[in-house]
Amino acid sequence: QSALTQPPSASGSPGQSVTISCTGTSSDVGGYTYVSWYQQHPGKAPKLMIYEVSKRPSGVPDRFSGSKSGNTASLTVSGLQAEDEADYYCSSYAGSSTFVIFGGGTKLTVL
Amino acid sequence: QVQLQESGPGLVKPSETLSLTCTVSGGSISSSRYYWSWIRQPAGKGLEWIGRINTSGSTNYNPSVKSRVTISVDTSKNQFSLKLSSVTAADTAVYYCARWAVANGDFDYWGQGILVAVSS
Repeated sequence: QSALTQPPSASGSPGQSVTISCTGTSSDVGGYTYVSWYQQHPGKAPKLMIYEVSKRPSGVPDRFSGSKSGNTASLTVSGLQAEDEADYYCSSYAGSSTFVIFGGGTKLTVL
Repeated sequence: QVQLQESGPGLVKPSETLSLTCTVSGGSISSSRYYWSWIRQPAGKGLEWIGRINTSGSTNYNPSVKSRVTISVDTSKNQFSLKLSSVTAADTAVYYCARWAVANGDFDYWGQGILVAVSS
């Protein structure tokens, strides 16, 4: 059960856009639409930001968007703001046996 | 508003069993629309899914801990629990309980987390 692959870090200036990738296999990311993204600030619990690849829960700004192509999902944060600086984790459903896999996390820095 | 709250000892001795409970409020743990999971995060590291249980008691566990873990549910108390046996320092982590929404395939509610250290 290998973790999904995310870049360890990403950065952008306020107002810019940044995209974080999440690469898996056809057994997880590529095989299901249940890809989600979580934001985690230091010392806090993760917060759901995107579910089912591209859907936003109520209250999440539309600056956050998700997409998927093949075995790679992506999270894009547009119009970067200081409060977007956090760790971001992707996860994917991986079938009834494995159930769910997380990515290794990406630290987003707002310059 | 659904809330999850972890509770249990913050310090466990090596080779002993780690036991945590998650109390769910603001919603019923008996709903078939949700599974209930434990997830952990060692300091400075990423998230690791430990296992899940549904309202009927069906479980899935991460192979990395499968031989040592048991997750159970107590619907009368609206709680579910984690037991991890034969712990070592590698099990030191913040442990989160979380609700998995079956229809959406995501963890939509999380507890605040509880730090459990394994040390003599």
